Amino acid sequence: EPEVTQTPSHQVTQMGQEVILRCVPISNHLYFYWYRQILGQKVEFLVSFYNNEISEKSEIFDDQFSVERPDGSNFTLKIRSTKLEDSAMYFCASSVSGHQPQHFGDGTRLSIL
Amino acid sequence: QQQVKQSPQSLIVQKGGISIINCAYENTAFDYFPWYQQFPGKGPALLIAIRPDVSEKKEGRFTISFNKSAKQFSLHIMDSQPGDSATYFCAASDAGGTSYGKLTFGQGTILTVHP
Repeated sequence: EPEVTQTPSHQVTQMGQEVILRCVPISNHLYFYWYRQILGQKVEFLVSFYNNEISEKSEIFDDQFSVERPDGSNFTLKIRSTKLEDSAMYFCASSVSGHQPQHFGDGTRLSIL
Repeated sequence: QQQVKQSPQSLIVQKGGISIINCAYENTAFDYFPWYQQFPGKGPALLIAIRPDVSEKKEGRFTISFNKSAKQFSLHIMDSQPGDSATYFCAASDAGGTSYGKLTFGQGTILTVHP
């Protein structure tokens, strides 16, 4: 069964540094999402991306965050200047359409020191 | 109004018992209600989902009950097994109109099934 793959599985970064989290969505999917999960808390929506542009974003997704689909397969989340509170699991998800189930990757654990 | 409230936070059930997890929502525009199962170190995996045109959906041992007037939905796991021990999240989205499928998640329920 096709999977959403995320790399790296764990990223440790110094506060203030830039970090890029990578995702390869399922190949025929057209809608892409990033969510985050702070330890012990619920999964929170960050951003959705369709047709090469952001379609919706949450209050969490401020100017420090950006997303990109640099080629036909990768979908990336960049955090420009990381803060301690950015430490969380970041999940990528994809779906065929906005009305169809979302499939999640296994996440990247981001630790900010 | 975007919140989805989930209870209980944790649940302990004996093998063979029924596990019941409840969720309530406020946004009447929500029209898609999935349940996700998450094992440690893994991403959420879609378990079962329902749309508000039906009041119940069953897949194997998993059943969603949906009460549109009360704005509540619940997951029932029949004949619970130790392998069902995981965190369960309910979610909701406004999948119609101009929405791009953003999911709003509940707080999660840690289910432990004792052998």
